[in-house]
Amino acid sequence: SAVISQKPSRDICQRGTSLTIQCQVDSQVTMMFWYRQQPGQSLTLIATANQGSEATYESGFVIDKFPISRPNLTFSTLTVSNMSPEDSSIYLCSVGGISYNEQFFGPGTRLTVL
Amino acid sequence: GENVEQHPSTLSVQEGDSAVIKCTYSDSASNYFPWYKQELGKRPQLIIDIRSNVGEKKDQRIAVTLNKTAKHFSLHITETQPEDSAVYFCAAGDGFNKFYFGSGTKLNVKP
Repeated sequence: SAVISQKPSRDICQRGTSLTIQCQVDSQVTMMFWYRQQPGQSLTLIATANQGSEATYESGFVIDKFPISRPNLTFSTLTVSNMSPEDSSIYLCSVGGISYNEQFFGPGTRLTVL
Repeated sequence: GENVEQHPSTLSVQEGDSAVIKCTYSDSASNYFPWYKQELGKRPQLIIDIRSNVGEKKDQRIAVTLNKTAKHFSLHITETQPEDSAVYFCAAGDGFNKFYFGSGTKLNVKP
C-alpha cells in the first residue's frame, strides 16, 4: 500500500482563523478523499479531491468552508476556513489502493479550535 | 445516499470467545464492503473486505459474510485476543470508491 503523510499532525487554532492540511503520497494515485472524524465518532466523507478539476463535496460540506486543492496525483490540501470549536476533529486523507475499491488512510490531523 | 447502520455500539467478550459485529446498508448499488480497525489515537486500518460477488471471505481468525438480498454484512472474529480490542468500522462503497461508514463498535476483549 502507499505511504501517506499528513501535515500538521496536530494544531490548536483560534476561532475565525483558517488551517491548511497537507496530504502527501509516495506514489501516484487516482483517487484521494478527505474525511472528518469528530471525537468518539465515525468517519464522515467530506469530499473527493479530483486532480485537475474542482473537488466533489458530500451533502453538508461546501467549498467555501472546506476548499480543497489537488495539483497533482501525489498531493492534496484541505483548508478548514473560518474555524469554530465545532470544527475540532481529526481530519484524514485517504487514497485508493491498487486493488479495486481499496482505500488507505493517512495518519490524520488532530485539530482543536478554541 | 447510502446509509450504513452498525450494531452493537459496544461489545465486551472474554478472551478466546467469538465476537460478531453486524452492519446493514441501504443502497443496492453498493458493491464493496470493507472493515477497518482503529486503535486509540491511530488511523483506521483495513483488516478485511468483501465484494458483492462473494458471500463469505475468511482470513485466519477473521471472516466476513455478505447477504446482498437482505443488504447486511457481518464481521466475525474467533478466538479473540486482548490485542483485538479496538473500534471496528464497517463501510459500504460503490464503484467510485466513495465509502460510507457505520457508527463503529468498540470491542473490549477481557483477558
